Amino acid sequence: GENVEQHPSTLSVQEGDSAVIKCTYSDSASNYFPWYKQELGKGPQLIIDIRSNVGEKKDQRIAVTLNKTAKHFSLHITETQPEDSAVYFCAASKSSNQFYFGTGTSLTVIP
Amino acid sequence: GAVVSQHPSRVICKSGTSVKIECRSLDFQATTMFWYRQFPKQSLMLMATSNEGSKATYEQGVEKDKFLINHASLTLSTLTVTSAHPEDSSFYICSARVSSFYGYTFGSGTRLTVV
Repeated sequence: GENVEQHPSTLSVQEGDSAVIKCTYSDSASNYFPWYKQELGKGPQLIIDIRSNVGEKKDQRIAVTLNKTAKHFSLHITETQPEDSAVYFCAASKSSNQFYFGTGTSLTVIP
Repeated sequence: GAVVSQHPSRVICKSGTSVKIECRSLDFQATTMFWYRQFPKQSLMLMATSNEGSKATYEQGVEKDKFLINHASLTLSTLTVTSAHPEDSSFYICSARVSSFYGYTFGSGTRLTVV
């Protein structure tokens, strides 16, 4: 099956700096890679996703890059704000019923 | 956008009792819903896949008789934790696949505490 690894597990950045979270996957057949933000006591919220036919996608301060050859994808948050503090999960999927999460990154943005 | 409503958000129950958690898709039909369990500071672990009108598919190691899943309509799936024990205390989250799209929408989660 698919194995998704996520690094780092914790990340602290100063407000205004950038944050980068990286994930690797093992199954080359995976073709959909979403990123979720989870605040304490709440369910995950989709923040951005990318499909295997695209190398990069950007939405305001958030961007995701995908390297299919190396089987890794990254989340980039620029101009971080305190409200970006949360746990972020990457995931990989190759069908609607196979959805594998990374282990999560706890991001703290220091004002 | 697609919204999944999950209730209750928090529940405390006594050992030996059963607890039902509901997950509703509000503005779309969800033929497939998923139930996850999350321990503190850990990732989401898929427990089972709920299919409308048929039996749920459980992940290895998940007790079918303990975690009863019912998906009787295209907008409602329920998870019943039967004969709950303190070790069942956890954060349970449902999600649904938005039809014809790979995107998943998650519920807000249920914090179950068994005392």
